[in-house]
Amino acid sequence: AQTVTQSQPEMSVQEAETVTLSCTYDTSESDYYLFWYKQPPSRQMILVIRQEAYKQQNATENRFSVNFQKAAKSFSLKISDSQLGDAAMYFCAQSGGSNYKLTFGKGTLLTVNP
Amino acid sequence: GAGVSQSPSNKVTEKGKDVELRCDPISGHTALYWYRQSLGQGLEFLIYFQGNSAPDKSGLPSDRFSAERTGGSVSTLTIQRTQQEDSAVYLCASSPWSLERYTFGSGTRLTVV
Repeated sequence: AQTVTQSQPEMSVQEAETVTLSCTYDTSESDYYLFWYKQPPSRQMILVIRQEAYKQQNATENRFSVNFQKAAKSFSLKISDSQLGDAAMYFCAQSGGSNYKLTFGKGTLLTVNP
Repeated sequence: GAGVSQSPSNKVTEKGKDVELRCDPISGHTALYWYRQSLGQGLEFLIYFQGNSAPDKSGLPSDRFSAERTGGSVSTLTIQRTQQEDSAVYLCASSPWSLERYTFGSGTRLTVV
């Protein structure tokens, strides 16, 4: 069975600063994907960034980057130059070998202070 | 449509009643998923449809839950004899074959009183 653990229920950051959200996972699959999703109050899950497990290079999307440590099964999200609009719930997720079913962590609520 | 559409946005029902939740996926997306998000929890997989293949129902929590997808497009999630523990946000997502474009709707918030 797959598990995804987010150990930080809440985090806060000052506007323009950098924050890192933690995620660890456990899987027996050799081929999988990892994701970070953002969920604002609108409830819609928005894909922030995705990482293929077979790629050693860390994924980046503008101000968002990940630190993927495959041996440690760790997948943290770094948000640089934080903006007020980044405030939301962030979920780490993993797909299995079948590549369609996602397993989610319980989320981290990020607050951005002006 | 431009996105995944779910209706109703919010639903309050009495314990013991049946409810139907609707999901209209992005046109052309062959895969459709239902997830449940209970308060303070992450999303929990419920069911997956892919084209004309038999659905993966492995996440349905009990036989009170069922779902169908008509004509490879719209899907309906039905909960019979609702219980208070069924209160949650039910999210639908659709995708083509690629996980890269796995798009979620805004969900239906179900409250059982």
